[in-house]
Amino acid sequence: GENVEQHPSTLSVQEGDSAVIKCTYSDSASNYFPWYKQELGKRPQLIIDIRSNVGEKKDQRIAVTLNKTAKHFSLHITETQPEDSAVYFCAARVGSGYALNFGKGTSLLVTP
Amino acid sequence: DTGVSQNPRHKITKRGQNVTFRCDPISEHNRLYWYRQTLGQGPEFLTYFQNEAQLEKSRLLSDRFSAERPKGSFSTLEIQRTEQGDSAMYLCASSSRTGEYEQYFGPGTRLTVT
Repeated sequence: GENVEQHPSTLSVQEGDSAVIKCTYSDSASNYFPWYKQELGKRPQLIIDIRSNVGEKKDQRIAVTLNKTAKHFSLHITETQPEDSAVYFCAARVGSGYALNFGKGTSLLVTP
Repeated sequence: DTGVSQNPRHKITKRGQNVTFRCDPISEHNRLYWYRQTLGQGPEFLTYFQNEAQLEKSRLLSDRFSAERPKGSFSTLEIQRTEQGDSAMYLCASSSRTGEYEQYFGPGTRLTVT
């Protein structure tokens, strides 16, 4: 199937610093790229998404950028807080269907 | 709670038994998805429904797996002759006509096959 590669697998930052997580995808037909946050034992929660007709999208402290030519997209979290600690997953829509292909996740730890 | 709900939340079964999980999507969401998540991995797509029609199935979905959404509302996922490799979290998600790609997940059913 089409792959979504995500890195780093773990990321540790100090409170107040920025965190960046990067993903690449292989399906050139993908046009929708969501990001999910999953806290331990909880459901994945949609936090932001971007479509291929947009290069950047912001929502308060989080932003996502997309480079369709290079087939990569990134999540940026500014002014990190301990409650941002979680596993973050990127995903890409598979072709013209509605299934999502997920990356393997990034475990983010924000230390006070 | 108006979010996606799943039952049961946990299921322990012996190898070879059949199990069935239920998912209730957000009200009026026409698309419903099943994913499987194992420890340390992202969710893997299994299948999805638009209303009552099953439109897409992953190659991961073996013949022992079957899903239904008979009235276009709740869905069931059945696994026959369970194997230890079926142990995972089974997640359901739904999306609406208007926010067509945005998928909202349920809490999952954790299956343990002993």
